[in-house]
Amino acid sequence: NAGVTQTPKFRVLKTGQSMTLLCAQDMNHEYMYWYRQDPGMGLRLIHYSVGEGTTAKGEVPDGYNVSRLKKQNFLLGLESAAPSQTSVYFCASMEGGAGTEAFFGQGTRLTVV
Amino acid sequence: AQSVAQPEDQVNVAEGNPLTVKCTYSVSGNPYLFWYVQYPNRGLQFLLKYITGDNLVKGSYGFEAEFNKSQTSFHLKKPSALVSDSALYFCAVRRSGSARQLTFGSGTQLTVLP
Repeated sequence: NAGVTQTPKFRVLKTGQSMTLLCAQDMNHEYMYWYRQDPGMGLRLIHYSVGEGTTAKGEVPDGYNVSRLKKQNFLLGLESAAPSQTSVYFCASMEGGAGTEAFFGQGTRLTVV
Repeated sequence: AQSVAQPEDQVNVAEGNPLTVKCTYSVSGNPYLFWYVQYPNRGLQFLLKYITGDNLVKGSYGFEAEFNKSQTSFHLKKPSALVSDSALYFCAVRRSGSARQLTFGSGTQLTVLP
């Protein structure tokens, strides 16, 4: 059981380049989330989805776009990368219901130079 | 708005001693509270949660946490620390009835000294 898988694990981008981070979960979870982790700031929510075909903005959505065309996949896009987007990105999924816990992927370490 | 505060960036404790990692929260309505642990270069792993009921919640690896509504706190505890408990710990809160946003604290680095 793979759980939540993020691709790629590491990436270096030049300023202005674009890329897509892929998150795949095999637990049939309804909810999926993208977070970024920066030192001393914990995890901040970028975007989330409450079901296939839905997306919504989180706490820090600027500069990112997302899509949830299939229930098991949640894509995070950076159209024009900036150094401020250097971070570790985590995807999470959750079965449903506010009392259930989220399951996290291993993270993607992105550096924008 | 909801928020979580972890007042200590770093906690050091000797192996075999009890440990406490502090967390306070702010949320409208009833809170759902979670603790996660992160080992180096890994994702977050769920430790325990408080939803309702008994204020003392037991979780994985011998950890427990006490919910205190009057002090809006959810401190993580373990009676006897192990060196392998050294990791980054995150407290998180979600408002009951809403699965949309899980808000995290800034994290506390726990170091257990042999």
